[in-house]
Amino acid sequence: DAKTTQPPSMDCAEGRAANLPCNHSTISGNEYVYWYRQIHSQGPQYIIHGLKNNETNEMASLIITEDRKSSTLILPHATLRDTAVYYCIVRRPQGGSEKLVFGKGTKLTVNP
Amino acid sequence: NAGVTQTPKFRILKIGQSMTLQCAQDMNHNYMYWYRQDPGMGLKLIYYSVGAGITDKGEVPNGYNVSRSTTEDFPLRLELAAPSQTSVYFCASSYRGQNSGNTIYFGEGSWLTVV
Repeated sequence: DAKTTQPPSMDCAEGRAANLPCNHSTISGNEYVYWYRQIHSQGPQYIIHGLKNNETNEMASLIITEDRKSSTLILPHATLRDTAVYYCIVRRPQGGSEKLVFGKGTKLTVNP
Repeated sequence: NAGVTQTPKFRILKIGQSMTLQCAQDMNHNYMYWYRQDPGMGLKLIYYSVGAGITDKGEVPNGYNVSRSTTEDFPLRLELAAPSQTSVYFCASSYRGQNSGNTIYFGEGSWLTVV
């Protein structure tokens, strides 16, 4: 599975959009981009995933560049409860290693 | 759906004791996983299963055993607890199918301390 690079930390004001970047320059054609977050020491929570097209759900939007080498997770109106560590992962739907590498992610702090 | 359910949530073990962490999912997922997460670190895969009766080692399997007799359940066994096994344990499950993505759903974690 391709390696990802994320900034270690970011801050965002409550009510503003939080834009979390992720680089995955070695991504393969059949690898999906996944975003998870972990609040305190809870189990990681699935947010969104995509392959080529931009995606949106009730939690967030995922913008993937045309060359697929980077993506941005957008939380449109961040709240204090969105303070968490956000992980970007690329992964094939089938086959490949089962070692889901979360890395250290981005620690997002939403400030009042 | 309850999702992925783990028990117990907290447990203190003495060195050399044995215990089983229980995990159950009600989403009819074929894949199930056990991860551990040490403080400030990412998740590391212990064991996984691709279906009932089939299990395989992950990155850090030593000191653990698993079984998968049903689709729903995937218990993790610690035979001789050691301080190095003090960690938070997460069970997870997913449906893996061709071209369907692979969203993994996690339980809330089991905090284990070995003293």
